[in-house]
Amino acid sequence: SAVISQKPSRDICQRGTSLTIQCQVDSQVTMMFWYRQQPGQSLTLIATANQGSEATYESGFVIDKFPISRPNLTFSTLTVSNMSPEDSSIYLCSVGDPGQANEQYFGPGTRLTVT
Amino acid sequence: GQNIDQPTEMTATEGAIVQINCTYQTSGFNGLFWYQQHAGEAPTFLSYNVLDGLEEKGRFSSFLSRSKGYSYLLLKELQMKDSASYLCAVSDSNYQLIWGAGTKLIIKP
Repeated sequence: SAVISQKPSRDICQRGTSLTIQCQVDSQVTMMFWYRQQPGQSLTLIATANQGSEATYESGFVIDKFPISRPNLTFSTLTVSNMSPEDSSIYLCSVGDPGQANEQYFGPGTRLTVT
Repeated sequence: GQNIDQPTEMTATEGAIVQINCTYQTSGFNGLFWYQQHAGEAPTFLSYNVLDGLEEKGRFSSFLSRSKGYSYLLLKELQMKDSASYLCAVSDSNYQLIWGAGTKLIIKP
C-alpha cells in the first residue's frame, strides 16, 4: 500500500483566512481524493483531484471555497478559503487505484480549528 | 437515494466475539469495504467483499449478501486495541465510495 503524508498535521486559524493542506504519496497513483470528517461523523467526499485537469467536486462543495491542485501523480493540495468556524474539521487525503479493487488508503489527516 | 446503515455504538467484552452489521442501498455495486478508525487517526483498510460469502482474515471476517444488501464484520477474540470505529463503505456504479456513519466499538475488560 502507498505511504501518504499530510502537512500540516493540525492548525488553528482565524476566520476569514485560508489554509493550504499538502498531500504527498510515495508512489504514483491514479486517484487522489479529499475528504472532510467532522467530529463524530463519517467521511464526506469533497472532491476527486485529477492530474492535469480541474478537480471534480461533490454536491455542496465548490472550487472557490476548496481550490485543489494536482500537479503530478504523487502530490495534491487542498485550500480551505475564507474560513469560518463551520470549517473546523479533519481533512483527509486518500489515494486509490482502479486496479486495486478500488480500496483507498488514507493520509494521517489535518485537524483544522477555526476561531 | 444512496444509504448505508450501521449501528452507532456497540459494547463487547475482551475475549468475546462481536458482529457489526451494515445494510446498504446504492446505485450500483462494485464492492463493499470495511475500515477501522482509531480515535484521532485516519481510517485503515480491513476488508473488501465483492462476491457473496465470507472472507476470513485472521481474527476478522467479513460477510456479504448482495441480494439482501447486507454485510457484517465479525471480530473474534476481542482485544482492548480493537476499540475503534468501524466504517462500512460501498463502491457504487461510478466506483465512488459511499460511507456509513461508522460504528463505535467499546471493549470492556
